[in-house]
Amino acid sequence: DTGVSQDPRHKITKRGQNVTFRCDPISEHNRLYWYRQTLGQGPEFLTYFQNEAQLEKSRLLSDRFSAERPKGSFSTLEIQRTEQGDSAMYLCASSDAGGGYTDTQYFGPGTRLTVL
Amino acid sequence: AQKVTQAQTEISVVEKEDVTLDCVYETRDTTYYLFWYKQPPSGELVFLIRRNSFDEQNEISGRYSWNFQKSTSSFNFTITASQVVDSAVYFCALRRSGYQKVTFGTGTKLQVIP
Repeated sequence: DTGVSQDPRHKITKRGQNVTFRCDPISEHNRLYWYRQTLGQGPEFLTYFQNEAQLEKSRLLSDRFSAERPKGSFSTLEIQRTEQGDSAMYLCASSDAGGGYTDTQYFGPGTRLTVL
Repeated sequence: AQKVTQAQTEISVVEKEDVTLDCVYETRDTTYYLFWYKQPPSGELVFLIRRNSFDEQNEISGRYSWNFQKSTSSFNFTITASQVVDSAVYFCALRRSGYQKVTFGTGTKLQVIP
């Protein structure tokens, strides 16, 4: 039973460039989440999907951020016109909406973004 | 609004000592869930425990134990006989029933010195 995987693990980009991250959830998990974590802080919620539907978005998710989960499996998070303030670890998590302890969110290794 | 406070920023202990990580939370909800996650230097958040607000029974898992007290809004985590492999950042977190957003504390960095 493989865990949540994220690609790439590290990304260095220049300010103003667009970047895209991918997340593959635990198989058969129908909920998928994106969080952002800056140095010395806990993860902050960005958005979540149940199957293909994006059901909740944080105010942290500015217009430059967009997330998709087109077939209810993997998800992508795109940041357009990156800014230095976007430098952070982007974490993906997944859970099973079956309820009980299966609704616990399990996290991937994260994608560390550095904007120069 | 939900809030999780981990007042201890960093703790250092010598191997085999016991250590308690404090967590205080704020919520107006009557039903909620509390979590502890471990983040080793590799960066991946590892789920440790989930506790429902209606279940105040304390739990022990090997060297780990958790003390949930609704009266003081605390959910503390104790590691007995600490080991070097316990060195990590530990996060306490809260989720409201019916919502998916998890609110994390700022974490406590634990260093276990051999």
